[in-house]
Amino acid sequence: ILNVEQSPQSLHVQEGDSTNFTCSFPSSNFYALHWYRWETAKSPEALFVMTLNGDEKKKGRISATLNTKEGYSYLYIKGSQPEDSATYLCAFWQAGTALIFGKGTTLSVSS
Amino acid sequence: DGGITQSPKYLFRKEGQNVTLSCEQNLNHDAMYWYRQDPGQGLRLIYYSQIVNDFQKGDIAEGYSVSREKKESFPLTVTSAQKNPTAFYLCASIGGNQPQHFGDGTRLSIL
Repeated sequence: ILNVEQSPQSLHVQEGDSTNFTCSFPSSNFYALHWYRWETAKSPEALFVMTLNGDEKKKGRISATLNTKEGYSYLYIKGSQPEDSATYLCAFWQAGTALIFGKGTTLSVSS
Repeated sequence: DGGITQSPKYLFRKEGQNVTLSCEQNLNHDAMYWYRQDPGQGLRLIYYSQIVNDFQKGDIAEGYSVSREKKESFPLTVTSAQKNPTAFYLCASIGGNQPQHFGDGTRLSIL
């Protein structure tokens, strides 16, 4: 069983704070790393698909970096807003296998 | 619009009963997945299929069965051998190295 670890498990910040989460994955046979945003009662929404070591992706106030050699990815949210409250999932895709999800980091932003 | 349709949205199972969850996609994706979500557990992989007439067990396949007779369809049967079936089930598909597309989910409960 492939192990995809996310930390922290949950996080509570104030509006305007910047924050970041970590996703750790096996460093062998890397194919891709995905980030999703998941709100209660909705389907997960894709944020980023990252495939190359050193990749940096940005979407508005959210950005992500990737280090395939050491097996980690960071997701950053700048100036958190209440609407950013959700669970953020990372998913690791090892060549020849299925996409495996971490347990997620649940972010709560207070106004 | 292309997408994934899961049905039913809510399903109730009696003791000793098999139930089947439907998943249909019109995205022309080769790969389809079934995940189970329990509180605090993220998305755990049940089964996946990378091509018609072929499927692989995920981390928690015991008590479940699938078929992939058509590219568009990947039904999941929750058998009576699955002793703790109450959960939220998500179907997904993926084409190439793109983000996964998800259905809206089926919530299964025990009567």
